[in-house]
Amino acid sequence: DAGVIQSPRHEVTEMGQEVTLRCKPISGHDYLFWYRQTMMRGLELLIYFNNNVPIDDSGMPEDRFSAKMPNASFSTLKIQPSEPRDSAVYFCASGLYNEQFFGPGTRLTVL
Amino acid sequence: AQTVTQSQPEMSVQEAETVTLSCTYDTSESDYYLFWYKQPPSRQMILVIRQEAYKQQNATENRFSVNFQKAAKSFSLKISDSQLGDAAMYFCAYRSPPNAGGTSYGKLTFGQGTILTVHP
Repeated sequence: DAGVIQSPRHEVTEMGQEVTLRCKPISGHDYLFWYRQTMMRGLELLIYFNNNVPIDDSGMPEDRFSAKMPNASFSTLKIQPSEPRDSAVYFCASGLYNEQFFGPGTRLTVL
Repeated sequence: AQTVTQSQPEMSVQEAETVTLSCTYDTSESDYYLFWYKQPPSRQMILVIRQEAYKQQNATENRFSVNFQKAAKSFSLKISDSQLGDAAMYFCAYRSPPNAGGTSYGKLTFGQGTILTVHP
């Protein structure tokens, strides 16, 4: 298995632009998580899905953030409009109830 | 809500020596999962070891082992025969049990991390 796949690996954009991060979970996993990591705040859970249904989005910082999981093999995290404070590494992770595997992350820089 | 605390922001060890990283957590649940993740400079989060709270036996994965003290809510990671490749940030994490239900089910709560340096 290729593991959790995230794209792009790096994204540089300007303030106000729309950013879309993509994730392909490991086949057979029924949980999918989006995390954000910064030096100041550490690892934060933004949202997670179970069987494609959003379970908890209380970590989503603002209405500018949205996430979808249209099917079991694909999820997106969208930021519109982006702001410099959104600069961070965004991780997608998938798993079963007793384990969780992370993707390589997307480093987002908003200028 | 569950909390996870790693009280050691940084640790260092000599190559081939043993080091222990500390983790404590707070929960009212009796069954749960605990994890240690490693994040090297490549930033990839790698699962190192997992412990089910209902198991009394401490988990072991090659040079990595845990000391799980359920009553004390302590979950330390011991790395034996440290290697240069062990240098990384290490995160302790807690996960609610499958029957927790609600929005706590399934998600990980992470500690702040411990940076481990390995000296040759």
